Amino acid sequence: GAVVSQHPSWVICKSGTSVKIECRSLDFQATTMFWYRQFPKQSLMLMATSNEGSKATYEQGVEKDKFLINHASLTLSTLTVTSAHPEDSSFYICSAGGRGNSPLHFGNGTRLTVT
Amino acid sequence: DAKTTQPNSMESNEEEPVHLPCNHSTISGTDYIHWYRQLPSQGPEYVIHGLTSNVNNRMASLAIAEDRKSSTLILHRATLRDAAVYYCLVGNRDDKIIFGKGTRLHILP
Repeated sequence: GAVVSQHPSWVICKSGTSVKIECRSLDFQATTMFWYRQFPKQSLMLMATSNEGSKATYEQGVEKDKFLINHASLTLSTLTVTSAHPEDSSFYICSAGGRGNSPLHFGNGTRLTVT
Repeated sequence: DAKTTQPNSMESNEEEPVHLPCNHSTISGTDYIHWYRQLPSQGPEYVIHGLTSNVNNRMASLAIAEDRKSSTLILHRATLRDAAVYYCLVGNRDDKIIFGKGTRLHILP
């Protein structure tokens, strides 16, 4: 079964509003989670690394004030897209892994459409 | 930048084996080799991973070159459900994982 749960699976919002996406590790604790964005026919692009109890690390070109990440517990990270615009429409995916070199597990993604 | 290079696309006939190559010439000694695949509108799915020795699981086999600069994912008997984008990644779990473009595998019935 799924070990990383992502919610919602899809969301439509109006331009200027904010949207929160949740990523939960179901049967393990994750000190680190990753957030990706994927445009059609393209690969996953890493946006940020979410660290439990501390600030997220953002990749170059990703606005931290626009994409707010909170990792308040070992099983939950949230990504909030603030003041969304149509160009933020994309497929957002989170991932988390156990300790050591166990593989990453990915959520099923959230399709965000901003109208 | 991604540490791996893969062909953009490959084709295979149904029920035949598929060998998906990956080059990772800058791999370091502690880097694991991971393979994931992504079906349309889904998150990536773990396939297999290894360090030095070849690995087998119920989904696939992973053949790792002796110098570890390349690897091959082997699907022993492809089905239509194996059509997906396959990503080869290297790193250890404390690294951020950067995806390359992957290989889009087409399965012909």
